[in-house]
This record gives sequence, structure tokens and C-alpha cells, in this order.
Amino acid sequence: GQQVMQIPQYQHVQEGEDFTTYCNSSTTLSNIQWYKQRPGGHPVFLIQLVKSGEVKKQKRLTFQFGEAKKNSSLHITATQTTDVGTYFCAGPGGGSNYKLTFGKGTLLTVNP
Amino acid sequence: ETGVTQSPTHLIKTRGQQVTLRCSSQSGHNTVSWYQQALGQGPQFIFQYYREEENGRGNFPPRFSGLQFPNYSSELNVNALELDDSALYLCASSTARGASTDTQYFGPGTRLTVL
Repeated sequence: GQQVMQIPQYQHVQEGEDFTTYCNSSTTLSNIQWYKQRPGGHPVFLIQLVKSGEVKKQKRLTFQFGEAKKNSSLHITATQTTDVGTYFCAGPGGGSNYKLTFGKGTLLTVNP
Repeated sequence: ETGVTQSPTHLIKTRGQQVTLRCSSQSGHNTVSWYQQALGQGPQFIFQYYREEENGRGNFPPRFSGLQFPNYSSELNVNALELDDSALYLCASSTARGASTDTQYFGPGTRLTVL
């Protein structure tokens, strides 16, 4: 079945450092979504990418969808303590239109 | 806040028991998806309901069942609980039939512990 893999599993940074998490799918994706889950919280939608090579920015966050639509990345510039949490990518599962397959996520911790 | 509510917040059950979890979707949303999130893992899709009918199912056994009501609220029922069912159960509502292309608005989750 379709797999969505994320690396790294954990990332600890000093406040002000940059952070990047990578997402790779075993199949071509029609779109990819990114979610953030704070410790003890629930996933919150960040963004959806649809087009090959698409790049979207939200303040210090930059999201990219690969040309082959099989990988994606999230880059945070100058991390802040409020960025702490687990970042998940999610894509359509197994060709269905009803199922989202999530990666295992990257847990980001920030040392003030 | 998303407007999606879930009850109860926490639940402790013993192996073999049955449990019902509830979800109220965000106003205007007619689709509800249920996910199981084990500790340290990403959410795993259980099933989706659209306008009171099951629209799709993930790799979960039949003892996981659900309902959606005319007001689009939903229930997740799990029979014959096993220790591995201990997890955070999340419901997510959306406006479209098809979670893979629509933003999912997650509720706060129900933390189920099976002893």
C-alpha cells in the first residue's frame, strides 16, 4: 500500500535556527497537506499543495511540493518557541479520494 | 478553535468491553472522518461518513463501526476492546466528500486507555 515517510523523526534546535522536515511518498500524489500538532493537542491544518514544483509561504514557513509530486518539504526560518510541535504531512491514500495517509511526523523542540 | 467537539475527553475501559465515542462536526460540514493516533505515530484513517453513509474505510476490523446522524454528528463504536486499542481517537469534519482533497478540521480527541 501507499506509504508516506517523514524525516527526521525528531529535531531539536536552538531558538533562531532554521528547521526543515522532509516528506516522501511511495506513489505520486495529487496533493499534499501539512498539519501541526502541539504537545497534548490535535492536528491543525497548515496548508495544501497541489501543483508540481509549487512553493507557498506563510510568514516564516515555506512549503514545497516536488516536481514529481512524490515529495514535499517544510522549512521554518528562525525558529521560535511557539513552533514547538509535531509536523505531519498527509496525502491521498491508495488512490482513494476519501482517505488521508499521514506520515509519522517530525517532532520539533526549540531551546530558548 | 475548529468548532469540532468530541466527548468524552478521557476514557478508561477494560479489555473486552465496548466503547462509544462522540463527535459534533463544525457547522456546515457534512463529512466526518475518524482517525486513531497511537503514541508517537501519525493519525491512521479508520473510516469516513458522508451524509449518514459510510464513504470509505481504512484497515480496521469490523469491531470498529460508526454512525452519522442527520445533524452530521457522528459516533465511533469499538467492540471487544483490546489493549492495542489504547490511543487518541480523533474526528475530523470537512465540507467535501473526500478527505484527500479537503481540509480536515480536527476535534480535540478522546484519549482511550484499555487496561
